[in-house]
Amino acid sequence: AQSVTQLDSQVPVFEEAPVELRCNYSSSVSVYLFWYVQYPNQGLQLLLKYLSGSTLVKGINGFEAEFNKSQTSFHLRKPSVHISDTAEYFCAVSATPSTGNEKLTFGTGTRLTIIP
Amino acid sequence: KAGVTQTPRYLIKTRGQQVTLSCSPISGHRSVSWYQQTPGQGLQFLFEYFSETQRNKGNFPGRFSGRQFSNSRSEMNVSTLELGDSALYLCASSVAGTAHEQYFGPGTRLTVT
Repeated sequence: AQSVTQLDSQVPVFEEAPVELRCNYSSSVSVYLFWYVQYPNQGLQLLLKYLSGSTLVKGINGFEAEFNKSQTSFHLRKPSVHISDTAEYFCAVSATPSTGNEKLTFGTGTRLTIIP
Repeated sequence: KAGVTQTPRYLIKTRGQQVTLSCSPISGHRSVSWYQQTPGQGLQFLFEYFSETQRNKGNFPGRFSGRQFSNSRSEMNVSTLELGDSALYLCASSVAGTAHEQYFGPGTRLTVT
């Protein structure tokens, strides 16, 4: 089974400052990794995903994440945040399809608050 | 292209009743997954259907069941409702599974009294 730990439940950041949201995962098999964002009263939207290849993944809205297999981490970063980035961010892991257990396991979420 | 739609958006039920939630995926998507979101447990995977077959299942009791129709629309049923079933139920569709981008609906807010 897979598990995800998001180390920070809340992260306040000043507008235009950089931000890093931390995510660590645990799995005994190969995984795919995802970051989703949830705006108030809405469903989730995919920010970016790592399936294979380059460990630096670029997503929408200027976000990027780096897959670090040795540290089992997939931290999300943005060099300069905006008010509109205020939302809840979820890291998620899935076993690869070859395992036959392809289901998403989510972390508990990090609430990002941008301070004007 | 229309997004994932879920009906109803809000529902209030009494303990012991049953409820059916509906999800219409994006046209062409064959995979539909269901998730339960609560403040205490976060987002938890319920089950995934692909081409009318349940392909994966989470750790929920048998009171939670689902099905998928030939047009890929999916329904989720919860029988003998408990207070702890109060949650936001999210449906997500994708072309072929979690490795592909999942598109989430706005959810159905279920309140059990």
